Amino acid sequence: QVTLKESGPGILQPSQTLSLTCSFSGFSLSTSGICVSWIRQPSGKGLEWLATICWEDSKGYNPSLKNRLTISKDTSNNQAFLKITSVDTADTAIYYCASLPGYNSGYYFDYWGQGVMVTVSS
Amino acid sequence: DIQMTQSPSFLSASVGDRVTINCKASQNINKYLDWYQQKLGEAPKLLIYNTNSLHTGIPSRFSGSGSGTDFTLTISSLQPEDVATYFCLQHNSGWTFGGGTKLELK
Repeated sequence: QVTLKESGPGILQPSQTLSLTCSFSGFSLSTSGICVSWIRQPSGKGLEWLATICWEDSKGYNPSLKNRLTISKDTSNNQAFLKITSVDTADTAIYYCASLPGYNSGYYFDYWGQGVMVTVSS
Repeated sequence: DIQMTQSPSFLSASVGDRVTINCKASQNINKYLDWYQQKLGEAPKLLIYNTNSLHTGIPSRFSGSGSGTDFTLTISSLQPEDVATYFCLQHNSGWTFGGGTKLELK
């Protein structure tokens, strides 16, 4: 059974760096083809893909945010991470992590975490 | 960047109705189109991947079709538990979501 769970600071101030952790079970990021992505959703709005990291450490970023994003992983502890620098109120959203079967089946988001709310406020 | 235009934005239907939701890509995305269901307060859930493949545990009343730039999600007989917002996602080049369709019961 695949499960993912996000964790984060809850609230932070403008200009700070947001650090998010995705802890997962039921799969390994050392397995060929597997990837994990981060997606966010401002309250009452649509979904925005942020970043993806795969088993062999390849990474992809949303071009509109690329300069502010860093994705990484800790394969031994079944975790993936996302950092967003210089946050402002527009970064207030629910942040989700999701797994991708990758070249095994396709690069779609098959399982999602419950999401973590992040509020940027002074 | 690939843009995804989803229609309608809002849909009201009765139990038992056949419901269709459309997604149009700004360029050819081959078969790489997926559909998600998001109920209020919950994370999105995968329904259909690669245009027409049903994800594990999803009822057979959900189906997908299309190719290239035009895609459709069909619910063959609407059930009360299908009330949700539905999103399409292209994964041919990066990942882009459609704007969503809010489905309610009439």
